[in-house]
Amino acid sequence: GESVGLHLPTLSVQEGDNSIINCAYSNSASDYFIWYKQESGKGPQFIIDIRSNMDKRQGQRVTVLLNKTVKHLSLQIAATQPGDSAVYFCAEKSGFQKLVFGTGTRLLVSP
Amino acid sequence: KAGVTQTPRYLIKTRGQQVTLSCSPISGHRSVSWYQQTPGQGLQFLFEYFSETQRNKGNFPGRFSGRQFSNSRSEMNVSTLELGDSALYLCASSLDYRGTDTQYFGPGTRLTVL
Repeated sequence: GESVGLHLPTLSVQEGDNSIINCAYSNSASDYFIWYKQESGKGPQFIIDIRSNMDKRQGQRVTVLLNKTVKHLSLQIAATQPGDSAVYFCAEKSGFQKLVFGTGTRLLVSP
Repeated sequence: KAGVTQTPRYLIKTRGQQVTLSCSPISGHRSVSWYQQTPGQGLQFLFEYFSETQRNKGNFPGRFSGRQFSNSRSEMNVSTLELGDSALYLCASSLDYRGTDTQYFGPGTRLTVL
């Protein structure tokens, strides 16, 4: 089956810093992108999404940036808090096709 | 509105047995997807159902099967369990499988095969 990488990259930040989590997606035809947050022992939680006709979308403390030219997606978290510590997944979708998850990134926030 | 629910939350089985997991989607959602999550392989897509029909399928052996009922609830079944089937099985629901409807995940069923 399709899979994410064996080695989970980790981003360590201090509380109050801004965090940027990056994701390279594979399908140039993908038209919908989602960021999920997964805490230990829980299912992935929806954070924010963006459609391919946009290059930026903002939510509460989060911003997603989409660069279709280089097939790159990023999630910016402002004023990172210890409660933001989790694994973050990006996912892409093209039309009727299944949602494809990218490599997760572990975010560790130190007080 | 209640979220996606999955039952049971935890399950312990032995090799060779079979198991059925259940998923109730968010009210009004008609599409249900199933994923297997393991530390080594990450999130792997199993299958997706919409209106009681399988719309997409991942690369899993035939021991893994699923179905969806007319009320959109879904079940997945794993027969002849193997040790490698130990994983967190996640269900996600969305309004539709077409286009850009967000998938919302349940808490998962933790399956341990001994």
